[in-house]
Amino acid sequence: GIQVEQSPPDLILQEGANSTLRCNFSDSVNNLQWFHQNPWGQLINLFYIPSGTKQNGRLSATTVATERYSLLYISSSQTTDSGVYFCACTSGTYKYIFGTGTRLKVLA
Amino acid sequence: NAGVTQTPKFQVLKTGQSMTLQCAQDMNHNSMYWYRQDPGMGLRLIYYSASEGTTDKGEVPNGYNVSRLNKREFSLRLESAAPSQTSVYFCASSVVQGTQYFGPGTRLLVL
Repeated sequence: GIQVEQSPPDLILQEGANSTLRCNFSDSVNNLQWFHQNPWGQLINLFYIPSGTKQNGRLSATTVATERYSLLYISSSQTTDSGVYFCACTSGTYKYIFGTGTRLKVLA
Repeated sequence: NAGVTQTPKFQVLKTGQSMTLQCAQDMNHNSMYWYRQDPGMGLRLIYYSASEGTTDKGEVPNGYNVSRLNKREFSLRLESAAPSQTSVYFCASSVVQGTQYFGPGTRLLVL
């Protein structure tokens, strides 16, 4: 099955800094999603992005399916961005494989 | 809209006890999922239901059963709980080939 690797595993930023999170996957994918898990454990979908580029406010994501990676950009980070960011992929339709996440802490 | 709801929020079981985790969604989604999340790890798919009346195994189905009661509800049953099933359980729903929306989770401790 698909292997999903995320980097870096941990990231500490000062408020206002920018960051790039990476998701590598071992096989071609039909679906790819980015999620944010806040410090209270709630999972929020950020992007559904099997290919191309999308932007939502300070967040944007790019998936290059032919190169088997996706990037999540966070600009002007805020303390509320803290938490864990997960990438999840499937080569089919339903069997998503999650990466182990990037744990982000934004300092005031 | 409540989105995806899960009950209970927290449960403690003794080894060998059984329980059912409930999940309901009000977004008219066809697809529903059950995941478990162990400390420091990503989510792993237990079972999914592509549409009402169908269920299929995910990555870690052993020790679990599911029922897609109707389009709204998807339950997860532990017939004989084991300490290895201590985890946080998340239910999710989506349209086919669409964004997944997650419930708040159920924290399960098996002693």
